[in-house]
Amino acid sequence: QVHLQESGPGLVRPSETLSLTCTVSGGSISGSTRFYWGWVRQPPGKGLEWVASVYYSGTSYNNPALRSRVVVSADTSKNQFSLNLASVTAADTAVYFCARHSVVVSATPLYDSWGQGTLVTVSS
Amino acid sequence: LLTQPPSVSGAPGQRVTISCTGASSNIGAGFHVHWYQQLPGAAPKVVIYENSKRPAGVPDRFAGSKSGTSASLAIAGLQPDDEAHYYCQSYDRGLSGWAFGGGTQLTVL
Repeated sequence: QVHLQESGPGLVRPSETLSLTCTVSGGSISGSTRFYWGWVRQPPGKGLEWVASVYYSGTSYNNPALRSRVVVSADTSKNQFSLNLASVTAADTAVYFCARHSVVVSATPLYDSWGQGTLVTVSS
Repeated sequence: LLTQPPSVSGAPGQRVTISCTGASSNIGAGFHVHWYQQLPGAAPKVVIYENSKRPAGVPDRFAGSKSGTSASLAIAGLQPDDEAHYYCQSYDRGLSGWAFGGGTQLTVL
C-alpha cells in the first residue's frame, strides 16, 4: 500500500513562492507507469481544486487557472514529487493534498491514494 | 462547472440522493464521474468510480448513476458514519482538465 506524506512551510508571505514536497513510500513513482502524481488543494471551509499533476518522466498537467504560476516536478532518486506555486496571495491559503491518480488521456482520472494534507497559510 | 447542492440530510435508515449537474463539455460529453467522501479532517476517499462502480470495501448502500448532463450518488440505509462531505469529479473539454463539484454536506439527523 503506497503512502504519501506532504512536507513544507506552513506559512508563506504574499508574493513569494509556495514550495511543497510529497514523499512516497511503499512503492516507486518511477515503477508505477500507470499513475500520475498530483496536488489537490482545499481552501478552509471550501471544496477541492485540482492544482497540477506530474508523471515520473516529468510530463505534467496544470490547472489552466493556475498554469502560469505552477511548476511541478518529480525526483525519482528520492521518490518524491514537488509543487512550486509562485506569486501567492491570500487566495492560495489552503490545505494542500498530494495524491496519486490513474493515467488517462482526455478522461477523468481516479485519485486512489492521498496524503493527509498540509495547511499552507499565505500571510505577512 | 459541476454543481452540487450545498447540503442534504436524512434520518438513519433513510435514503438520500446527491446530484452533480454538469454540462455538454463534461458529464454530457460522456466523461466518467467519480464520487469522493471526505470525513472531517481527513483526505477524500473514492466511494464510486466510473459513474456507478464501487471500490472494494465500499458498502452496496452506495450507488452511482449518470444521465445526460447530470450524475447522482444515492446512499441507502443512512448511518451516522455516512455524515461527511461528498464531491463529484469529471473531466471537462473546455478546461482541458478535470474539476470537482463544490461539494455536498450530508447530515444524518
